[in-house]
Amino acid sequence: QKEVEQNSGPLSVPEGAIASLNCTYSDRGSQSFFWYRQYSGKSPELIMSIYSNGDKEDGRFTAQLNKASQYVSLLIRDSQPSDSATYLCAVNIEEYGNKLVFGAGTILRVKS
Amino acid sequence: GAVVSQHPSWVICKSGTSVKIECRSLDFQATTMFWYRQFPKQSLMLMATSNEGSKATYEQGVEKDKFLINHASLTLSTLTVTSAHPEDSSFYICSAEQSGSSLGYTGELFFGEGSRLTVL
Repeated sequence: QKEVEQNSGPLSVPEGAIASLNCTYSDRGSQSFFWYRQYSGKSPELIMSIYSNGDKEDGRFTAQLNKASQYVSLLIRDSQPSDSATYLCAVNIEEYGNKLVFGAGTILRVKS
Repeated sequence: GAVVSQHPSWVICKSGTSVKIECRSLDFQATTMFWYRQFPKQSLMLMATSNEGSKATYEQGVEKDKFLINHASLTLSTLTVTSAHPEDSSFYICSAEQSGSSLGYTGELFFGEGSRLTVL
């Protein structure tokens, strides 16, 4: 089993809709969870970090964490064409000295 | 957030030559920096962890003699691709972890802009 798994997509949503991106991880000891956005040909940029169970909201973005289910998600409300990118889930893996392990990423396409 | 600068953004070189990529933390000190490689349509793959004042830690399958890493100061790490070949063509990205976070280890990384290497 891969340490961090994401559906590669592409996930297509109409402009203004809610985009829901999901990520599962294997290490029960993980404490830090991140969502990065990566535009084509660019490096990743941090969107959200979450460390506790529950929801964390920042503008149009909401991160949700469920440690019992080893599941973290990112919701994007009122999706815009400019949100079209690859979204990378990253989890610190205790086994690897708390290094961040990245999922393969989910391609999101927001259609106007 | 903190700023990490990477240089050069693009480099084209002939096969057999060496290429150096610099990664600088501009407004914070970074005892640890990470070097990643990303092939088209694939995710980031960690190559090595660069530690200030000590030897880098390489991931399995990464040749330390081919990818030389130097982290001589708290704000600069360099990656040198020695005797580059076409299969080394890739997008190389560095990231840095801010030292002394008041929250303890948070894992938050700040990425450089990336360096696209093309070996002819």
